[in-house]
Amino acid sequence: GAVVSQHPSWVICKSGTSVKIECRSLDFQATTMFWYRQFPKQSLMLMATSNEGSKATYEQGVEKDKFLINHASLTLSTLTVTSAHPEDSSFYICSARVWSLAVADEQFFGPGTRLTVL
Amino acid sequence: AQSVAQPEDQVNVAEGNPLTVKCTYSVSGNPYLFWYVQYPNRGLQFLLKYITGDNLVKGSYGFEAEFNKSQTSFHLKKPSALVSDSALYFCAVRDNRGNTPLVFGKGTRLSVIA
Repeated sequence: GAVVSQHPSWVICKSGTSVKIECRSLDFQATTMFWYRQFPKQSLMLMATSNEGSKATYEQGVEKDKFLINHASLTLSTLTVTSAHPEDSSFYICSARVWSLAVADEQFFGPGTRLTVL
Repeated sequence: AQSVAQPEDQVNVAEGNPLTVKCTYSVSGNPYLFWYVQYPNRGLQFLLKYITGDNLVKGSYGFEAEFNKSQTSFHLKKPSALVSDSALYFCAVRDNRGNTPLVFGKGTRLSVIA
């Protein structure tokens, strides 16, 4: 199946700094990428949807100025957590999909990035 | 709006016994339904999906799920549980109309006891 990678797999940063997480589709071109956030022992909450070459669509309650998403190419999307605070500590998971009207493609998930803000 | 309910936070089953993890859904159009499994500090692994066709879907590792339109359910089942099946299971749904994202249930922790 299709492979999605994330980098880094884990990161520890100081409060107030910014952290960038990369999501890459390794063997397919993803027209759409999704970013999810997962708190311990909880479900995946959709943060935003990004289509290549256009601005991301954020879910209600997600601060677009804090969680910057860039989808510059069909194989790369980045999530930047700006001015991180301890409450931003979480497991961030990206997902990629090739979408067409003819095919109900599943979303392929990255392995996740564990962010800890001190 | 789409939503998924997994009514059980935890399911305990003895090794060798059949297991069921429950899922009900709500979508505006026709549903695309998925099950994923997550091991600690890992991403999601795809188990199976229902798009159309036979209501009984067979997936990875011996798992299967049955789509029931009248009950809006998509319960995950396995005839004989293994200790290695212990993990967190997520049901997900999306509307078949357009490029909509998957919406996840809260997850059910399965514990298989030897």
